[in-house]
Amino acid sequence: QQQVKQSPQSLIVQKGGISIINCAYENTAFDYFPWYQQFPGKGPALLIAIRPDVSEKKEGRFTISFNKSAKQFSLHIMDSQPGDSATYFCAASPPGFQKLVFGTGTRLLVSP
Amino acid sequence: GAVVSQHPSWVICKSGTSVKIECRSLDFQATTMFWYRQFPKQSLMLMATSNEGSKATYEQGVEKDKFLINHASLTLSTLTVTSAHPEDSSFYICSALPRETGNQPQHFGDGTRLSIL
Repeated sequence: QQQVKQSPQSLIVQKGGISIINCAYENTAFDYFPWYQQFPGKGPALLIAIRPDVSEKKEGRFTISFNKSAKQFSLHIMDSQPGDSATYFCAASPPGFQKLVFGTGTRLLVSP
Repeated sequence: GAVVSQHPSWVICKSGTSVKIECRSLDFQATTMFWYRQFPKQSLMLMATSNEGSKATYEQGVEKDKFLINHASLTLSTLTVTSAHPEDSSFYICSALPRETGNQPQHFGDGTRLSIL
């Protein structure tokens, strides 16, 4: 019940295209859903996060869509650029419970 | 703001030695820090939660005598891998929660690559 399932495992998108990564969870107590970007040899960096009181959050080219009833959330990267090539992790955390449960990761490659 | 620094970034040592990794919050105080382990092409696996002034809480399956954690101040937590062996080779990452919020988001360091020969 603590798992967060992430798909796809890898993704190739052409420059300028839209990258979409999906995550699903089981624990309805989760109330914080961040996305992290990780480059090789570096730690994860927070991209964008959402709480379940909204269905969508947008920051620049990055958008989180959240479907509470389906227990799913997704990351959309608009106008994908080669510099976006990295591994993306979704995560979730229940209230007052500071641990994060991470998804398995998606390796994104944006071709020039 | 919210910078977390790890040192060293890369360490190679012989089997049987102990290695200490430092995690510092540079511009904020952190009552809670986390230690993760990441194998190549895999996700982050939480090893333990470190709280300032108290004993760390280890995740199931993580040997507390093998991975010693000390959180002696509001800006520093250390992970010591004792009697390291080749199977301990991995990428170790720490994160910290700001004291003023006590909650998400976690801010991550850039990791320490540990190679045991």
